[in-house]
Amino acid sequence: NAGVTQTPKFRILKIGQSMTLQCTQDMNHNYMYWYRQDPGMGLKLIYYSVGAGITDKGEVPNGYNVSRSTTEDFPLRLELAAPSQTSVYFCASSSHQSSYNEQFFGPGTRLTVL
Amino acid sequence: AQSVTQLGSHVSVSEGALVLLRCNYSSSVPPYLFWYVQYPNQGLQLLLKYTSAATLVKGINGFEAEFKKSETSFHLTKPSAHMSDAAEYFCAVRGNFGNEKLTFGTGTRLTIIP
Repeated sequence: NAGVTQTPKFRILKIGQSMTLQCTQDMNHNYMYWYRQDPGMGLKLIYYSVGAGITDKGEVPNGYNVSRSTTEDFPLRLELAAPSQTSVYFCASSSHQSSYNEQFFGPGTRLTVL
Repeated sequence: AQSVTQLGSHVSVSEGALVLLRCNYSSSVPPYLFWYVQYPNQGLQLLLKYTSAATLVKGINGFEAEFKKSETSFHLTKPSAHMSDAAEYFCAVRGNFGNEKLTFGTGTRLTIIP
C-alpha cells in the first residue's frame, strides 16, 4: 500500500493563478480531508468528504473547492491564488469501519503564492 | 465543540532526560484523544490514541500518555529522550458520537540537546 499520496510536493504560483492539488489513497477509506498548516497555528480543516459525491466545508474553506468523484481521489482546487494561501497542505484519510477514526496523512504539498 | 490546548510551543530537553509535552482538552462529550508526530518535511504520523479502554496509553517509539479526566489532560511522556525524537508533536481531539473531524492543537516543537 502506498497509503496517501499527494502531488506536487512543491509549487510556486503567481497571484491570480489557479491550480489543483492532487490526493489519492489506496486504503479504500471513505473519509478524506484537506488541511492547511501554518507556522504556530497547527492544522486547520479546509474541506472533508465522507464518501464519493459528498463533501462539506471545514473551518477555513474560503478560496478553495473540492470534488470527490471516486473513493480514491480528493483533489483540492485553488481559484485565484492569493498570498494568504501560502501554506503547507496535507491530505488525510480514515476508515468509516474504524471506531477511532485514525487519520492517515500524506507527505504534504508546500505552496507559495507570490 | 471540542478543542485542545498545547502548553509550550517549544520544548528542549537533554538526550536521556524525561520528555513531557502537555495537552489539555475541552469536550462536551467523552473524547477520543490522539498524539501525532511530524518529522521535518513529512506528514503527520500517529503516536498513540486514547479511546476510553485504558487511561494509560502506550504508543510507538517509547512514548505514552495518561488520560486524566479530573484535570482534562492528556500529557505525552517518554522516560529517556533520544536524538531521533526531535520533531513537532500535535495533540488532537474528536467526539465519539459520530463526529469524524479532528481538532488539532497548535503543536509543540521538541528539540533534543546532545
